[in-house]
Amino acid sequence: GAVVSQHPSWVICKSGTSVKIECRSLDFQATTMFWYRQFPKQSLMLMATSNEGSKATYEQGVEKDKFLINHASLTLSTLTVTSAHPEDSSFYICSAQAGSGRETQYFGPGTRLLVL
Amino acid sequence: ILNVEQSPQSLHVQEGDSTNFTCSFPSSNFYALHWYRWETAKSPEALFVMTLNGDEKKKGRISATLNTKEGYSYLYIKGSQPEDSATYLCARETSGSRLTFGEGTQLTVNP
Repeated sequence: GAVVSQHPSWVICKSGTSVKIECRSLDFQATTMFWYRQFPKQSLMLMATSNEGSKATYEQGVEKDKFLINHASLTLSTLTVTSAHPEDSSFYICSAQAGSGRETQYFGPGTRLLVL
Repeated sequence: ILNVEQSPQSLHVQEGDSTNFTCSFPSSNFYALHWYRWETAKSPEALFVMTLNGDEKKKGRISATLNTKEGYSYLYIKGSQPEDSATYLCARETSGSRLTFGEGTQLTVNP
């Protein structure tokens, strides 16, 4: 149980285009979903936290107008990288949590984004 | 300690060896500590969520201990097998379920 999927697993796009990444909890309802990114040889860094039906909470330094997050249902959250640039090339990974506080977060397999 | 730190960065052991690695974190305002196992091209697999000082949790040949007063957790693997090869991540949880990760310990178990 507790499976989280992510789509696509990798994407290559041209500079200036937008890319949407989906995160789904397949066998449980996620009250909260989280988006992280990882640059080479660095740790996973939290970008934002989203609750179903609410606006996402962004970490300091993460541009909310560039990284649009929608959490329309208890099983789906999307991250849209708008007007992507080469510096946005990274590994993006989501997690989902059924409860709140001191609960396991279940991770998707991640999405590798390359912006040319 | 200001951030989450893991050591060693990488580790090579022989099949059958027991091994352990460390996660250090700020001890103030402790909320919870998470351990994950991450194999290449797969999703990170949750191992433990640890909350109480002195906690010890076990899952098969893997166990973990927690010292919140001094800010560290140990992960132990008994009788390592090649399939244990992975990156082991720890993450400190703060309010709002926010996780701050260490850079991980990359374990390679040679047959």
